[in-house]
Amino acid sequence: EPEVTQTPSHQVTQMGQEVILRCVPISNHLYFYWYRQILGQKVEFLVSFYNNEISEKSEIFDDQFSVERPDGSNFTLKIRSTKLEDSAMYFCASSDGLANTGELFFGEGSRLTVL
Amino acid sequence: QKEVEQDPGPLSVPEGAIVSLNCTYSNSAFQYFMWYRQYSRKGPELLMYTYSSGNKEDGRFTAQVDKSSKYISLFIRDSQPSDSATYLCAMINYGQNFVFGPGTRLSVLP
Repeated sequence: EPEVTQTPSHQVTQMGQEVILRCVPISNHLYFYWYRQILGQKVEFLVSFYNNEISEKSEIFDDQFSVERPDGSNFTLKIRSTKLEDSAMYFCASSDGLANTGELFFGEGSRLTVL
Repeated sequence: QKEVEQDPGPLSVPEGAIVSLNCTYSNSAFQYFMWYRQYSRKGPELLMYTYSSGNKEDGRFTAQVDKSSKYISLFIRDSQPSDSATYLCAMINYGQNFVFGPGTRLSVLP
């Protein structure tokens, strides 16, 4: 069964360092998303991406964050200068539906720990 | 008022019980409603997907949407210990992004 894959599964970094989280969405999907979940808290929307550009972003997704689809398969989330409060699980998701009405499939997540 | 509200639990039930999980929402424009199951330290997994009001059944799971009351439910029949997880409701208006409830933690005791 097709699935969304994410790497790394866990990354530990020092505050102020740059981090890149990688995702391979399901191959025929067109809409890509990043969500985060701080331990014990709700899943929060960060950004959606369609047709090689950001379609929507939340207030969490500030100038320290960026997304890119560098080739036909990868979808990356970059955090330029990590802060302690960036420690969370980051989930990539993809969808094949009409604008945001399709089923959303999640990866297993990348755990980011900022020290 | 929060956009989507969900009792965080924890909810503990004995094996074989019928479980009822619920969400209320405030945005009447929501049209698509989903239930996700999330095991500890794993990504949310889609369980049920419904459009507008009505019921949908899949095996032991039944999803119910009542748009007039802005209320959705997930019923789990013959609950199993393997159903122990956090259940997230999610909903969306056409053209917008998914809004998740905070999740209900369920424990099914053998």
